[in-house]
Amino acid sequence: EPEVTQTPSHQVTQMGQEVILRCVPISNHLYFYWYRQILGQKVEFLVSFYNNEISEKSEIFDDQFSVERPDGSNFTLKIRSTKLEDSAMYFCASQGEGRFYEQYFGPGTRLTVT
Amino acid sequence: GIQVEQSPPDLILQEGANSTLRCNFSDSVNNLQWFHQNPWGQLINLFYIPSGTKQNGRLSATTVATERYSLLYISSSQTTDSGVYFCAAPNTGNQFYFGTGTSLTVIP
Repeated sequence: EPEVTQTPSHQVTQMGQEVILRCVPISNHLYFYWYRQILGQKVEFLVSFYNNEISEKSEIFDDQFSVERPDGSNFTLKIRSTKLEDSAMYFCASQGEGRFYEQYFGPGTRLTVT
Repeated sequence: GIQVEQSPPDLILQEGANSTLRCNFSDSVNNLQWFHQNPWGQLINLFYIPSGTKQNGRLSATTVATERYSLLYISSSQTTDSGVYFCAAPNTGNQFYFGTGTSLTVIP
């Protein structure tokens, strides 16, 4: 069965550094998402991406965040200058035709900012 | 956005017991999914169930969309079932709203 993959599984970075989290969605999917989960809390939506542009974003997704689909297969989330509060689990998801279809989630990247 | 509430928040079971987890949502939905978050933090897709009933081994799920709830049944629970169970549904957009989860502990 096709699956969403994410790299790295765990990233440790220092405050103020830039990080790029990578995701490989399922190949024929059209919608792509990033979610995050701060330890002990529920999963929160960050951003959705369709047709090479952001379609929705939450209040969390400020100017420090950006997304890109650089080569038609990878989907990346960049945090320009990390803060302690960016420490969380980040999940990528992809979806077929639209919101009536199943979202497939990757295993997540645990980001630790020190 | 849509409100997603889960109950109970915590559940402790003896191995072999059965359980029912509930997910209520505040608005009509066209998509609902259940996930299991394992101790390593990974989200495992369990069910895509906008309506009706599905079964997968010892797990089954039922969504009654008209009454705005979904149930996840776990039968003959095992210690490997421990973790947090989330339900999630989209609102008018594609973004998922997650519930706060049910933390399940199965003791041998």
